[in-house]
Amino acid sequence: GAVVSQHPSRVICKSGTSVKIECRSLDFQATTMFWYRQFPKQSLMLMATSNEGSKATYEQGVEKDKFLINHASLTLSTLTVTSAHPEDSSFYICSAGGPSADTQYFGPGTRLTVL
Amino acid sequence: QKEVEQDPGPLSVPEGAIVSLNCTYSNSAFQYFMWYRQYSRKGPELLMYTYSSGNKEDGRFTAQVDKSSKYISLFIRDSQPSDSATYLCALDQGGKLIFGQGTELSVKP
Repeated sequence: GAVVSQHPSRVICKSGTSVKIECRSLDFQATTMFWYRQFPKQSLMLMATSNEGSKATYEQGVEKDKFLINHASLTLSTLTVTSAHPEDSSFYICSAGGPSADTQYFGPGTRLTVL
Repeated sequence: QKEVEQDPGPLSVPEGAIVSLNCTYSNSAFQYFMWYRQYSRKGPELLMYTYSSGNKEDGRFTAQVDKSSKYISLFIRDSQPSDSATYLCALDQGGKLIFGQGTELSVKP
């Protein structure tokens, strides 16, 4: 149980384009989903907290107009990187609040490369 | 000062060795402590979760928390090549996870 999927697993795009990443909880409902970014050999940094049916809460320094988050249902949250630039190239990982409020289950990640 | 400090390694040990991974933290308000394992280009996988001082054991893994010293540890007994991965400690701050930098572990056959 507690499986979280992400799609796509890998995406390469040109600078200036927008990219959408989906995060799904497959066997449980998640009122809260989290989006993280991880640069090579660095830790996961929380970008935003997404609550179903309401606006996402962004961490300090994360541009909400650049990283659009939509949490339309209890099993799906999307992150759209708008007007992507090479410095946005990173590993994006989502997690969903599991059955226990104190645990999160992580997706496999999406590797974004912006050329 | 970072909220969570973790030696990034890399740490290389022979198969069968006991591995000790550690994190220190600065905020005494943290109540929940987790260890995750992350294989290359994959998402983190929860290994251990604890909320009190003391030891918690699960198979070859033992998580240790010392709240008075703000110090947490993960011990791996009889380490295997398949344990080669990056290990991240994480602390819960009101529902948000604060991660350490991660320690890269390599277990040599």
